[in-house]
Amino acid sequence: DIVMTQSPDSLAVSLGERATISCKSSQSVLDTSNNKNYLAWYQQKPGQPPKLLIYWASSRESGVPDRFGGSGSGTDFALTISSLQAEDVAVYYCQQYYNTPLTFGPGTRVDIK
Amino acid sequence: QVQLVESGGGVVQPGRSLRLSCSASGFTISTYGMHWVRQAPGRGLEWVAVIWYDGNNKYYADSVKGRFTISRDTSKNTLYLQMNSLRAEDTAVYYCASAWGSYIDYWGQGTLVTVSS
Repeated sequence: DIVMTQSPDSLAVSLGERATISCKSSQSVLDTSNNKNYLAWYQQKPGQPPKLLIYWASSRESGVPDRFGGSGSGTDFALTISSLQAEDVAVYYCQQYYNTPLTFGPGTRVDIK
Repeated sequence: QVQLVESGGGVVQPGRSLRLSCSASGFTISTYGMHWVRQAPGRGLEWVAVIWYDGNNKYYADSVKGRFTISRDTSKNTLYLQMNSLRAEDTAVYYCASAWGSYIDYWGQGTLVTVSS
């Protein structure tokens, strides 16, 4: 199984400042045949289901604000919120869909400082 | 638009069975991969099972293999999760989720399953 790790466990950022979350996979999730990284990011607010933000490591889902950006390849990835807004307070999960079992990172909680 | 509505959760004793349903609208489940993902109270997300587009390929997490069965009824556009031999550690909110591509894109609101005597 591919193990996903995230850092930090939590972070507090001032409104308008940048927040960056790191995600690492225990093996590469890059398919060299199509040059795609099978890595997604989800946002989960309290009492709600997760919401897709980013897929293929860096493609933003329709309707997601452009302050959310994904980067990385192979085993190292990052989610960046360029200018934190109050509505971005949530837990963020990375997930690999390179193979089954699909696996999620443990989550990173983002709060306002 | 895409909508997924889970039902069938509740309180069940250890060792008993429960069947969850997920009614889909706005798309046809036979053209999607369909997943179950669960979240224990206060914990992270755990993938449970998937049934792929053809309906024949099914995969399970090791934690539920041999106890849970994923299935679908395309005439009802509904996904199921039959859960047998339930354990306390199966207590969680169970989400139904769709994957048009390889990644999960839509999630239902979830249904809570509590396994307790």
